Amino acid sequence: GAVVSQHPSWVICKSGTSVKIECRSLDFQATTMFWYRQFPKQSLMLMATSNEGSKATYEQGVEKDKFLINHASLTLSTLTVTSAHPEDSSFYICSARRAGGGQETQYFGPGTRLLVL
Amino acid sequence: AQKVTQAQTEISVVEKEDVTLDCVYETRDTTYYLFWYKQPPSGELVFLIRRNSFDEQNEISGRYSWNFQKSTSSFNFTITASQVVDSAVYFCALVSGSARQLTFGSGTQLTVLP
Repeated sequence: GAVVSQHPSWVICKSGTSVKIECRSLDFQATTMFWYRQFPKQSLMLMATSNEGSKATYEQGVEKDKFLINHASLTLSTLTVTSAHPEDSSFYICSARRAGGGQETQYFGPGTRLLVL
Repeated sequence: AQKVTQAQTEISVVEKEDVTLDCVYETRDTTYYLFWYKQPPSGELVFLIRRNSFDEQNEISGRYSWNFQKSTSSFNFTITASQVVDSAVYFCALVSGSARQLTFGSGTQLTVLP
């Protein structure tokens, strides 16, 4: 299989705090990981593309200083929401593309629900 | 630019009925991949199928079948004899050319009533 995990699954935090979300590919190496955000009853919106060992590429309108992404290894990427505010409350989902797969399939983590009070 | 359109926002059927979810895509690339994902209430996206642009063969997997028609740029998904557990949001998605990023449709909420 191709299993992707995310931790934590739920976060409730106070406004102004930072939250770190981890995304791991458990049984394969992922040169590329993606971070998405999904608001209720909406589709997934790509936030950034993360390549192992290099800087993430952010989509237009996504603040790179607010959403820090680190992809330090072939199996781990982290998203840090800095100084979170209530409008950052959302469902954050990561995905990983298998290295050398050539099939372009992304495998998704279970998601992290963030609630900023 | 690439775009995926799922015109059906919500569909409701009674158990055992067949249901087809529509997906229309746009891309200028000749090489692309099409996907369907299922998102149950838990939120986790479940991969269902991948199709590349050079393979127009329709596929059947159990109660699921997919109809890929390049002539109409469509990649429709049919569930036969639907079950309550099929209730979920279904997303069609596209990766094309050098972009290598998934573009999702807006999703179709399928509700199967007992």
